[in-house]
Amino acid sequence: DIQMTHSPSFLSASVGDTITISCRASQYIDIYLNWYQQKPGTAPRLLISAASSLQSGVPSRFSGSGSGTDFTLTISSLQPEDFATYYCQQSYGTPHLTFGGGTKVEI
Amino acid sequence: QVQLQESGPGLVKPSDTLSLNCFVSGFYISSGSYWGWIRQPPGKGLEWIGSYYQSGNTYYNPSLENRVTISGDTSKNQFSLRLNSVTAADTAIYYCAKIGQDGNVYYWGQGTLVTVSS
Repeated sequence: DIQMTHSPSFLSASVGDTITISCRASQYIDIYLNWYQQKPGTAPRLLISAASSLQSGVPSRFSGSGSGTDFTLTISSLQPEDFATYYCQQSYGTPHLTFGGGTKVEI
Repeated sequence: QVQLQESGPGLVKPSDTLSLNCFVSGFYISSGSYWGWIRQPPGKGLEWIGSYYQSGNTYYNPSLENRVTISGDTSKNQFSLRLNSVTAADTAIYYCAKIGQDGNVYYWGQGTLVTVSS
């Protein structure tokens, strides 16, 4: 199984900050890495696929990078609506999927 | 517009079988994509349970493989989850989802909370 590890698990930030969330895979996954945003009481939403490809409708302040085993999600100029939990997910092993444990971004 | 809606009991007794259905609208489950189940224990992260493919093939999380069955009913355009011998550790929000052939989870149901308790 491919394991995904987030760091940090919790991140305290303020509106206007630029933050970076990291995700590491237990083995090589090329660029097959997705990022999701989840707000309380709602299903996750796909933000970024293939490590850096922004989904339609996602603000450009979100960006992703990385390949191989190490990936990052960067949110520039945090907005109030960005306070949420973010999950990475590997799709290298499709149809077998794995999610990371998540990073909660709090005020 | 693809929409998914989970249905099933919200309370299951320990050692019983958890059964959920996911009705799909806006896309035929026989027309491509994986149709999967993902769960989230309260306050915790996401766990992929397994997926059904249009061909009828199924794929499961190795940690649950001996207890889970996912099947599809193309006549009703829905797919189902059965999880046997449940314990309190199976208490979670269960989401059904449309997963692309690229492994990206594009559409999610709203989720349904299933509590395992006597």
